[in-house]
Amino acid sequence: IAGITQAPTSQILAAGRRMTLRCTQDMRHNAMYWYRQDLGLGLRLIHYSNTAGTTGKGEVPDGYSVSRANTDDFPLTLASAVPSQTSVYFCASSDSTAHTGELFFGEGSRLTVL
Amino acid sequence: GQNIDQPTEMTATEGAIVQINCTYQTSGFNGLFWYQQHAGEAPTFLSYNVLDGLEEKGRFSSFLSRSKGYSYLLLKELQMKDSASYLCALLSGDYKLSFGAGTTVTVRA
Repeated sequence: IAGITQAPTSQILAAGRRMTLRCTQDMRHNAMYWYRQDLGLGLRLIHYSNTAGTTGKGEVPDGYSVSRANTDDFPLTLASAVPSQTSVYFCASSDSTAHTGELFFGEGSRLTVL
Repeated sequence: GQNIDQPTEMTATEGAIVQINCTYQTSGFNGLFWYQQHAGEAPTFLSYNVLDGLEEKGRFSSFLSRSKGYSYLLLKELQMKDSASYLCALLSGDYKLSFGAGTTVTVRA
């Protein structure tokens, strides 16, 4: 079944550690996104990529980095995790050439930083 | 940037109708989306409006007024499985999607 796969599903991490959340899609969508979701704040865009080889900053990019070496993969890295990065992280993709903006989401990665 | 407002919570009875309002302010607009998110799951697409008016899809309808910066999602014949969060989202001029905080709908028997 085509879709988006995120890993890990859940992770507990010590503050100061480096962590990479993985995201892979097999729909050949050109655009990919990382959101974090916190209670009362909704989904906030961290970073995005409109096409392979390009990335951009979203609403809350500080403390995070991304890369887009190919169409399918869009990993999110926390260089030195802090407790405020405790959240549920969703990766999403879209066919932005369709200009409808519909996002397809992965199942989420729940990250706890202690 | 975008500013999106929607109520935090709503409660309704099974079989009833509920209307979730969303107001927004934006400097660029390419469409308004509604997503459904059950607890512990990923959001899933419900509807998309780019022109003013009503879009109907089964028990769910979505309305948009661009001049008023206003949309609503109408859920008819409520079922217990409709208990979820409903997210209003704005597609900006550069095709990035910004979300409201979501409205949690609880359907009671």
